[in-house]
This record gives sequence, C-alpha cells and structure tokens, in this order.
Amino acid sequence: EVQLVESGGGLVQPGRSLTLSCAASGFTFDDYGMHWVRQAPGKGLEWVSGISWNSGSIGYADSVKGRFTISRANAKNSLYLQMNSLGPEDTALYYCVKNMGSSWLDDGFDLWGQGTRVTVSS
Amino acid sequence: QSVLTQPPSVSGAPGQRVTISCTGSSSNIGAGYDVHWYQQLPGTAPKLLIYGNNNRPSGVPDRFSGSKSGTSASLAITGLQAEDEAGYFCQSYDSSLSGSWVFGGGTQLTVL
Repeated sequence: EVQLVESGGGLVQPGRSLTLSCAASGFTFDDYGMHWVRQAPGKGLEWVSGISWNSGSIGYADSVKGRFTISRANAKNSLYLQMNSLGPEDTALYYCVKNMGSSWLDDGFDLWGQGTRVTVSS
Repeated sequence: QSVLTQPPSVSGAPGQRVTISCTGSSSNIGAGYDVHWYQQLPGTAPKLLIYGNNNRPSGVPDRFSGSKSGTSASLAITGLQAEDEAGYFCQSYDSSLSGSWVFGGGTQLTVL
C-alpha cells in the first residue's frame, strides 16, 4: 500500500526540541522530493520545508528557518524534521507529503500522511 | 493573512456549478508558476485535486477543472454532489524573499 506514516508528535514545552519522523512505503522513496506541511487547529495549510530526492536542495519557510532542519534517509525510506526552539505558534498537525517530482521546487503534492500533532505549551 | 486569497466560503445546490477563485500576485501566479488545488474532507488529510493548473490526477472526476489567467486561478466544480462538501485550498510557488510554497487560506464548500 502506498502510504506515509508520521510519528514523533506530542506535547512539548516552549523552547524545547522535537523530532518528527515519516515512514514511506509502497513507492520508490528516493525518486521523489518530500515536504513537511502543517495545519494549526482550525486554520489553513502552511508549507514548512521541502527536500529534493538526494538532499541536494532544501528549502524552508521563513517562519521556521534557522530553527527546523529537514533530512531524509533513503536507505530507510524515511523523512525527518528536527524542530528546535519551539514556540506556541508551532502548534499544529504536521503532515509528511510526497512531491510529484524529484525536486521540491515544482509539481504538486500527491500523497499526504495522516499527520502527527505537535502541541507547544507550558 | 495568506499570500494567495480565496473566498472563505461558497455554496451551491446539488447539480449546480460553483467556482472558487484564487488571487495571487506577480511573485507567484503572475510569475508563471503553476497552481495546484487540494480537497480536504472533514477530519482527513488534504488530497491533490488539480495539478499544473488544469490537470486531474487519476481517479479525480472530470466534474473538477482548473484554470489560470494572469495573477489568478479558479477551480470549477460542476454537477455538485453532497460528497463535495469540503475545504479547498489553492497552492503556488512564490519567488519573493528566499522562495517558498504558498497556500490560499482555504474555501469551505457547502452543498445546500
């Protein structure tokens, strides 16, 4: 089955760190760019970060630049998001998303996981 | 405030046609970047509905269509069905600052 399964979310205090993981299956993971997209409760979608098939090109939203780090392990069919200096504004459902092409710079996002919830609160 | 502007809500009766607009600027849609559309049913993850302005992924009914002109894009849904009641989001790439993907704020479609 073609799917993306996120894990690692939870309740974390402001200023702390958290790492999200995404396990891909059912497709050739290292052929595609990948993204993290988040959705705050009752709000719209916000792109967080993207990475090309070989990690050669990476992009971040201005809201997370310098705090979040995206990475991938193609041998493990896995995508990661290291999140540091978390604040209440980072509270959201975080989706792991597959790009239609090998980059992260073009094409649509054609496969979404079910998301992992991150809550930043003291 | 979202970089791409969508109406918060639209509605229509079963069988009718509705359109959802997505207005951008010269740094995104107007710069020639493609527009993609997503459908989000209640309590579920978004699903790609239209890619590359007017292309449907396999399995998406031809009742859904997309168009783009200038700095705007539109999603049209014909023959409205109760199961179309969902949130709809447009997306494009924005080349301002360091460059990033941007989404519209979303439009809630109500089938009357």
